Amino acid sequence: GIQVEQSPPDLILQEGANSTLRCNFSDSVNNLQWFHQNPWGQLINLFYIPSGTKQNGRLSATTVATERYSLLYISSSQTTDSGVYFCAVKGADYKLSFGAGTTVTVRA
Amino acid sequence: DTGVSQNPRHKITKRGQNVTFRCDPISEHNRLYWYRQTLGQGPEFLTYFQNEAQLEKSRLLSDRFSAERPKGSFSTLEIQRTEQGDSAMYLCASSSAGSLINEQFFGPGTRLTVL
Repeated sequence: GIQVEQSPPDLILQEGANSTLRCNFSDSVNNLQWFHQNPWGQLINLFYIPSGTKQNGRLSATTVATERYSLLYISSSQTTDSGVYFCAVKGADYKLSFGAGTTVTVRA
Repeated sequence: DTGVSQNPRHKITKRGQNVTFRCDPISEHNRLYWYRQTLGQGPEFLTYFQNEAQLEKSRLLSDRFSAERPKGSFSTLEIQRTEQGDSAMYLCASSSAGSLINEQFFGPGTRLTVL
């Protein structure tokens, strides 16, 4: 299956800071999604972004499919941004392959 | 539509017991997926249905696990003779086969603890 690597594994931010999370994947994909997992375990969809750039409020994402990576940007971080961020990709089959996640802690 | 729902949200059982979880997908979605997530890891794929047909199963799905989607709507995941290693969060997702965008949406999960 497709291998997905996320970096950094952990990120500690002061409120108001900006940050970049990275996702590298090992093969061509036709689906890439970013999720935020809340403390209760719910995966919340952030972006569906197999290529290109999208923005939603303080979050934006860019996927460069030809170079097999995606970036998630968090600007002006807030304490509510804390949690685990997952990148997941889908190749020619049906399943999503997830990375190990980046744990973000935003301190007030 | 309220999204993907799963029941129960929590299940505590003793080793050797059988458990069954239910997933109700988003109503217009005909693709349904089960994943398992252990502590500190990302979710791992278990199985996939398109309508009532089970089209793909992971090697993680041992013979103690069985999943069904009898009428192409809700799905059940049964674990027989549970083991402590089965303790995990079981996540269900759904997506639409009729769309060019194959975005998966997840339910809140069922957290299983095997004592």
